[in-house]
Amino acid sequence: NAGVTQTPKFRVLKTGQSMTLLCAQDMNHEYMYWYRQDPGMGLRLIHYSVGEGTTAKGEVPDGYNVSRLKKQNFLLGLESAAPSQTSVYFCASSQLGGELFFGEGSRLTVL
Amino acid sequence: AQSVTQPDIHITVSEGASLELRCNYSYGATPYLFWYVQSPGQGLQLLLKYFSGDTLVQGIKGFEAEFKRSQSSFNLRKPSVHWSDAAEYFCAVGDRGGYNKLIFGAGTRLAVHP
Repeated sequence: NAGVTQTPKFRVLKTGQSMTLLCAQDMNHEYMYWYRQDPGMGLRLIHYSVGEGTTAKGEVPDGYNVSRLKKQNFLLGLESAAPSQTSVYFCASSQLGGELFFGEGSRLTVL
Repeated sequence: AQSVTQPDIHITVSEGASLELRCNYSYGATPYLFWYVQSPGQGLQLLLKYFSGDTLVQGIKGFEAEFKRSQSSFNLRKPSVHWSDAAEYFCAVGDRGGYNKLIFGAGTRLAVHP
């Protein structure tokens, strides 16, 4: 019973490099979310999706892109990484009115 | 705009003591309210939630929270803390407009002394 799985769990990038974080959920949830967690700031919503083929901006979308080509997957991309994007990234999924289920996080360091 | 304030960054209690973690929110109407817990290196786990009805909500692990509309608060309580409760606790408010978008507070880190 995997729930929400994020890959990779750790990554170190140089400024200007690109990368993609993959989130997969096996609960047939409609909604998926990407959050970033920074010390003293809690979790902030980057982008979210309300169904396959849809995406929308959250609180802090700049510098990130997302895609939801399949219902079970939600990808977060950094086209040109910056040190300010050093963070822990969490993916979550839910049904409308239901609780959010979180992955274990992906720690990204940008040098 | 919605916001959530957790006034206490760190709290230390002795094992067996009671606990109250504070949460205040700003929202135009009655929101959905949540408390999540995060153990080190882990994702977030839902402790409890308030959608409507009884303002005292029971959750997992012996936690409860009370919604007080007049104070815009949703404080988390536990009568007797266990060492395993040491973690970071997040209060969150959800938009009744849909999509379950949550706004999180900055978190309260709980330490438990034996």
